[in-house]
Amino acid sequence: DTGVSQDPRHKITKRGQNVTFRCDPISEHNRLYWYRQTLGQGPEFLTYFQNEAQLEKSRLLSDRFSAERPKGSFSTLEIQRTEQGDSAMYLCASSLVEAFFGQGTRLTVV
Amino acid sequence: AQTVTQSQPEMSVQEAETVTLSCTYDTSESDYYLFWYKQPPSRQMILVIRQEAYKQQNATENRFSVNFQKAAKSFSLKISDSQLGDAAMYFCAWWGANDYKLSFGAGTTVTVRA
Repeated sequence: DTGVSQDPRHKITKRGQNVTFRCDPISEHNRLYWYRQTLGQGPEFLTYFQNEAQLEKSRLLSDRFSAERPKGSFSTLEIQRTEQGDSAMYLCASSLVEAFFGQGTRLTVV
Repeated sequence: AQTVTQSQPEMSVQEAETVTLSCTYDTSESDYYLFWYKQPPSRQMILVIRQEAYKQQNATENRFSVNFQKAAKSFSLKISDSQLGDAAMYFCAWWGANDYKLSFGAGTTVTVRA
């Protein structure tokens, strides 16, 4: 399968814990995006990379969120001290032009 | 900032009929792309169709076609001969060729009646 893959697919965590999600993009894609989506809503932009450079980070992204893309390959999104409001689907996409999405990581904070 | 507006939260269509989803956008850029994505209940986002802003010809992909009105900043999606598998949430998206940011509308839920 040469599509975008995300791991884990589901994550349940207790409030206050840290979580890390991984995204493996399509290999030749130089751009990688992270979005957050709640039920019935459109994807909300979090951040994106061109190769290893993080070019933009949403103002909505608090300091508890950090993302990396070492060597311009896979990316990780870490959320520290999770809160119940962080419960959502986290989507990763990669692109040359049109974006291709992974299946997402569903985070539930209890 | 670019904004994408989908004014129809829900649309319903009879199987085999046609439905049109509306999308407007606001940008000052001249070089951009527009997309329609489909998100079935399984939640993976799938690209339906793309339109380059510099092309006047409307894009078509099988039963899916767009009406791109650049001056009006309008980008509607027409689904012809609707099938039960078309039931999903549809998102309009804008991508700038200068800043590479991909912005989405709020989505339209399409229900197909058998």
